[in-house]
Amino acid sequence: GAVVSQHPSRVICKSGTSVKIECRSLDFQATTMFWYRQFPKKSLMLMATSNEGSKATYEQGVEKDKFLINHASLTLSTLTVTSAHPEDSSFYICSALQGGFYSNQPQHFGDGTRLSIL
Amino acid sequence: AQTVTQSQPEMSVQEAETVTLSCTYDTSESNYYLFWYKQPPSRQMILVIRQEAYKQQNATENRFSVNFQKAAKSFSLKISDSQLGDTAMYFCAFMNSNTGKLIFGQGTTLQVKP
Repeated sequence: GAVVSQHPSRVICKSGTSVKIECRSLDFQATTMFWYRQFPKKSLMLMATSNEGSKATYEQGVEKDKFLINHASLTLSTLTVTSAHPEDSSFYICSALQGGFYSNQPQHFGDGTRLSIL
Repeated sequence: AQTVTQSQPEMSVQEAETVTLSCTYDTSESNYYLFWYKQPPSRQMILVIRQEAYKQQNATENRFSVNFQKAAKSFSLKISDSQLGDTAMYFCAFMNSNTGKLIFGQGTTLQVKP
């Protein structure tokens, strides 16, 4: 149980295009999902918290107009990288929180998306 | 603000031996959760073990166990009988119980040698 599907797994596109990444909780409802960015051999950096039915909360230094997050249902959050440039190339990972903040359930991670902007 | 520190960027261990990965954290909260995640070359994040801060007993999952020292804010991971499949990057993480956010340490790359 507690499977999170992230799609696509790999994207290669030209500079200036927008890219959408989907994160789905397959067998549980997730009112809260998280988006991370990871550079090679580095740690995960939290970008934003995605809340179902409300605006996402972005971490300091993350451009909300560059990284659009939509959490329209209890099982789906999307991250859109708008007008992507080579410096946006990275590994993006989502996670979904099963249960509330006070539950002892951990975050469940998707398999990540490798984004390459040419 | 909470911080998590892993002071060992790289470690290696012989197959079947035991290795301990260190982690310290800083927080003013009394209720929180701690985790160890494994990230193999496939880059999938795999939960290894978790610890509730209010529990004094150290968590154990098969070959994996933790040494949780709440007063010292230390949370080390011990891997017994290391296997080649344990080769991965390991992340210590702190979860804020108010927000659900995970704060990760810098990671430790573990190489298990045959």
